Amino acid sequence: GDSVTQMEGPVTLSEEAFLTINCTYTATGYPSLFWYVQYPGEGLQLLLKATKADDKGSNKGFEATYRKETTSFHLEKGSVQVSDSAVYFCALVPMDTGRRALTFGSGTRLQVQP
Amino acid sequence: EAGVAQSPRYKIIEKRQSVAFWCNPISGHATLYWYQQILGQGPKLLIQFQNNGVVDDSQLPKDRFSAERLKGVDSTLKIQPAKLEDSAVYLCASSLGRQGRAGYGYTFGSGTRLTVV
Repeated sequence: GDSVTQMEGPVTLSEEAFLTINCTYTATGYPSLFWYVQYPGEGLQLLLKATKADDKGSNKGFEATYRKETTSFHLEKGSVQVSDSAVYFCALVPMDTGRRALTFGSGTRLQVQP
Repeated sequence: EAGVAQSPRYKIIEKRQSVAFWCNPISGHATLYWYQQILGQGPKLLIQFQNNGVVDDSQLPKDRFSAERLKGVDSTLKIQPAKLEDSAVYLCASSLGRQGRAGYGYTFGSGTRLTVV
């Protein structure tokens, strides 16, 4: 079945450091890919998405590129802020079935220190 | 637009008791999902509705969990009897997307945190 694998956390960085959170997926066909963020005490929010190979999703300084050849969708940010501290979830939606539900990875906690 | 509403926010029950959660999706969203998020894990789909029909309930423990979506709008998720391992956050989400179409956004509610003691 479909699955998403994320790097384990927590990831601890100093403010203004470069961030990479790795995400790889297993799915039949060509899924849509997403990054969701969960800030402390809040619900899940869509951060960015990409619906086909080589698409780049971007939002709030975060970017991720849909790499079909490596089945990856790594999240990057050039300069993190303390306010980016949260749990980040990589997710997919399969394209070739009638089921439209998100399949999530286990999440990666990011802690940014001042 | 109003978001996905869920209630209650928190619930503590003893094992073997029953509990129900309520979800009101965004107006016009045909698809509704219930997810279970155990602490330290990603959300796991329990059931997906398209209007008032079930699309996928393959991961719903049907011996104790049930869900319905009356008139294709509000939905309730029930657990009876609850077990300790049911302690989790139960998330409701809705989307405009129909089966087979790409890229429609999902909106999540704030969730109900269930503690079974």
